[in-house]
Amino acid sequence: AQKITQTQPGMFVQEKEAVTLDCTYDTSDPSYGLFWYKQPSSGEMIFLIYQGSYDQQNATEGRYSLNFQKARKSANLVISASQLGDSAMYFCAMREGPRSGYSTLTFGKGTMLLVSP
Amino acid sequence: DSGVTQTPKHLITATGQRVTLRCSPRSGDLSVYWYQQSLDQGLQFLIQYYNGEERAKGNILERFSAQQFPDLHSELNLSSLELGDSALYFCASTGGLAGVPDTQYFGPGTRLTVL
Repeated sequence: AQKITQTQPGMFVQEKEAVTLDCTYDTSDPSYGLFWYKQPSSGEMIFLIYQGSYDQQNATEGRYSLNFQKARKSANLVISASQLGDSAMYFCAMREGPRSGYSTLTFGKGTMLLVSP
Repeated sequence: DSGVTQTPKHLITATGQRVTLRCSPRSGDLSVYWYQQSLDQGLQFLIQYYNGEERAKGNILERFSAQQFPDLHSELNLSSLELGDSALYFCASTGGLAGVPDTQYFGPGTRLTVL
């Protein structure tokens, strides 16, 4: 079974609207972390946001927020007020086990987001 | 800018050849990861080094090898190259005090084209 599932190969949104990118995960470890990365057409991978399994509140970073629903094992990325520069591939990733400073991550296959004017 | 550097940015070579990709992690990061990203395989974890020691292995071919040096930079060696090795190769680093713990910060990548 896949550990990280991103069911939306592509998403379209109009500028200034909010968009939710889905991510579900599978782990039996009580301690884990969830990450979102953005990959624009230029190719670099940019870290966006992190959520720990024991964090009480949903993570937020500027226009990015993570809708963490532990019981459903979902960690959806919400981008508010979309901008043209948000057009990119978005990857969800998971670290299993407690923080160690050097854990490996498992990545999903990604969702391509296109923002139209 | 993540603070992770990779050279070269682009590499074009022929089948059967050998190349070396270089990565310098963020200042203070002890762990280096190598990934291969291709259209058909997606983002594949290859290998991880922590403070000079191999720590985890992913889908790395026997023709590929890596090492991390005492100054913590890392090199990925790809030999007997095949057309299918054409991909974007990323290095990522973590393990230092800066940033979110366990967050992998990626370099800009090396785009390898095998002709």
